[in-house]
Amino acid sequence: EPEVTQTPSHQVTQMGQEVILRCVPISNHLYFYWYRQILGQKVEFLVSFYNNEISEKSEIFDDQFSVERPDGSNFTLKIRSTKLEDSAMYFCASSLHSGANQPQHFGDGTRLSIL
Amino acid sequence: SQQGEEDPQALSIQEGENATMNCSYKTSINNLQWYRQNSGRGLVHLILIRSNEREKHSGRLRVTLDTSKKSSSLLITASRAADTASYFCALVHQAGTALIFGKGTTLSVSS
Repeated sequence: EPEVTQTPSHQVTQMGQEVILRCVPISNHLYFYWYRQILGQKVEFLVSFYNNEISEKSEIFDDQFSVERPDGSNFTLKIRSTKLEDSAMYFCASSLHSGANQPQHFGDGTRLSIL
Repeated sequence: SQQGEEDPQALSIQEGENATMNCSYKTSINNLQWYRQNSGRGLVHLILIRSNEREKHSGRLRVTLDTSKKSSSLLITASRAADTASYFCALVHQAGTALIFGKGTTLSVSS
């Protein structure tokens, strides 16, 4: 069964550094998402992406964050200048169509640790 | 609140018993979805129920939706140790694409 894959599984970065988290969505999916889960808390929506532009974003997704689909397979989340509070699990997801009435398929996440 | 609120927060049962988890919400929704998360893993989609549906089944899972009460329930019948996980309801609002997750129910099934 097709899967969403995320790399790396664990990223350790010094505060203030830039970090790029990578995702390969399911190949025929058209909608892409990033979520994060701070340890012990609920999963929070960051951004959705379709047709090379952001469809929707949350208040968390400020100017420090950006997303990109640099080629036909990868979908990346960049955090420009990391802060301690960015430490979390970051999940990528994809869906065939819009989130409305479509399940989203999640990767296993990247654990981001900011020192 | 825009998110669903699951109840109970934690549930411990024996193998073979049924587990029922509830989700309440306050806004209008397009659909409601249930996901499972095993420790340290990503979320796995279980069932999607649309706002005009009342009940859906998938194997040992049964989901109900009552839009008048703004609530949903997930029933797992004949539970197994492998069902041990956190279970989340997630809302999709009528104009949105985002999944809005609740805090989840942690289910422990002991053999």
